[in-house]
Amino acid sequence: GQSLEQPSEVTAVEGAIVQINCTYQTSGFYGLSWYQQHDGGAPTFLSYNGLDGLEETGRFSSFLSRSDSYGYLLLQELQMKDSASYFCAVFATNDYKLSFGAGTTVTVRA
Amino acid sequence: DADVTQTPRNRITKTGKRIMLECSQTKGHDRMYWYRQDPGLGLRLIYYSFDVKDINKGEISDGYSVSRQAQAKFSLSLESAIPNQTALYFCATSDPGLHEQYFGPGTRLTVT
Repeated sequence: GQSLEQPSEVTAVEGAIVQINCTYQTSGFYGLSWYQQHDGGAPTFLSYNGLDGLEETGRFSSFLSRSDSYGYLLLQELQMKDSASYFCAVFATNDYKLSFGAGTTVTVRA
Repeated sequence: DADVTQTPRNRITKTGKRIMLECSQTKGHDRMYWYRQDPGLGLRLIYYSFDVKDINKGEISDGYSVSRQAQAKFSLSLESAIPNQTALYFCATSDPGLHEQYFGPGTRLTVT
């Protein structure tokens, strides 16, 4: 089976940088994705890492270390609209089934 | 118009009732998924389908069934609803070879 761990909550001020860590234990590993979900809304895709290293998309970056079974999502220049839940999710095989972590609630304060 | 739609958006039903949640998509994707989300938990996969003739169980399929009526439509049924099936249900689609899944707006189901 798959097991993913991420912090449950993070609070930061506007303009700050937040890093959300995700560690995983899977029977196989193909890639790591990140999704954002505003309260009660549809999850939306943020990033995917299939190889080790950093992927940057605007203010958000995602990192993967396959040897450490670890990844993180970096949110820079935090804005109030970044207040949401963030989920890491793994593809354990190449069949495009996702297993999700429990999510990290990010609260941005003025 | 939304690419992935779900009906109903909210539903309250009684224990023992049969209920169907419907999902339609205009993205032309072959792959469709049903997830449930409970407070404090991530999304858990119920069933998935990689084409019209392909149906697969996810990690929590007990008490649920699905039907893939067409490439664009994937329905989830609760044959006899029970209170612990109260949750937020999401449908999602994806394209083969791509890693992004596109989620519908969700159906909030309450079983009393």
